[in-house]
Amino acid sequence: DQQVKQNSPSLSVQEGRISILNCDYTNSMFDYFLWYKKYPAEGPTFLISISSIKDKNEDGRFTVFLNKSAKHLSLHIVPSQPGDSAVYFCAASGGGSQGNLIFGKGTKLSVKP
Amino acid sequence: GAGVSQTPSNKVTEKGKYVELRCDPISGHTALYWYRQSLGQGPEFLIYFQGTGAADDSGLPNDRFFAVRPEGSVSTLKIQRTERGDSAVYLCASSLTPTGTGELFFGEGSRLTVL
Repeated sequence: DQQVKQNSPSLSVQEGRISILNCDYTNSMFDYFLWYKKYPAEGPTFLISISSIKDKNEDGRFTVFLNKSAKHLSLHIVPSQPGDSAVYFCAASGGGSQGNLIFGKGTKLSVKP
Repeated sequence: GAGVSQTPSNKVTEKGKYVELRCDPISGHTALYWYRQSLGQGPEFLIYFQGTGAADDSGLPNDRFFAVRPEGSVSTLKIQRTERGDSAVYLCASSLTPTGTGELFFGEGSRLTVL
C-alpha cells in the first residue's frame, strides 16, 4: 500500500507558465516532505523540503505548499523553464526514520519552449 | 570526485549468480543509504548505515541481500543467487549526519540486469 502517491505520471507545460506537481500521503506521522528532481542516467537531486509544522516554503522559482488536513502537498515552479524538464519525486520521512525516505512514483515534467 | 561514486554503472548477470555493488560516499559523510529503483517506481529504501554499523536494514527484501561498510566509508551491497526480479537501479546516497530531514546526496546508480 503506497504511503506517498503521485497520481499524475506526466505533465506538460509551456515555457514561462506555472508547473504544479501534486503529491498525496497517508501517514500522519511524516514530519518532513521533500521534492527530488531526476534527470535521465543521473541520481535524484534534492530540490526543496518542508517541515510538517509549516504550510509553505519558497526557494527562488520553487515553492512547496503543505496541506496537512488534506494530507496533500504540491510543488509550484514559476516560471517554468525547459531545463526543468525532469522526473520529480515527492518523498516523506518521519518518526525518527533517519533518512528512510518513502518516495512516490514520480511525475515526468516536460516544459516546452 | 566530489559526489557519491557508484561502481559498476551497469552490471549484467545471469540468474543465480552473485553480485557486488560498490558505493563511495562523499568524504566525511557518516550516514550512507542504499535504495533500489525498479522501472516506473520511485526509489525504495533498503538499508542505512551510521558509521560502520547498519542502523536500519528493514528495507532489505530477503536474506539474499546483504550490505557492509567495514571502515565507515565505502559500502558494498551484496546480492546472492540473483533473480530476474532483482533487476533495478541500485542507488546509494550519503549525508553528513543522520538526517531526519531527508536531504540526501545520491550517486548515479548501478543498473543491474539479471537475465
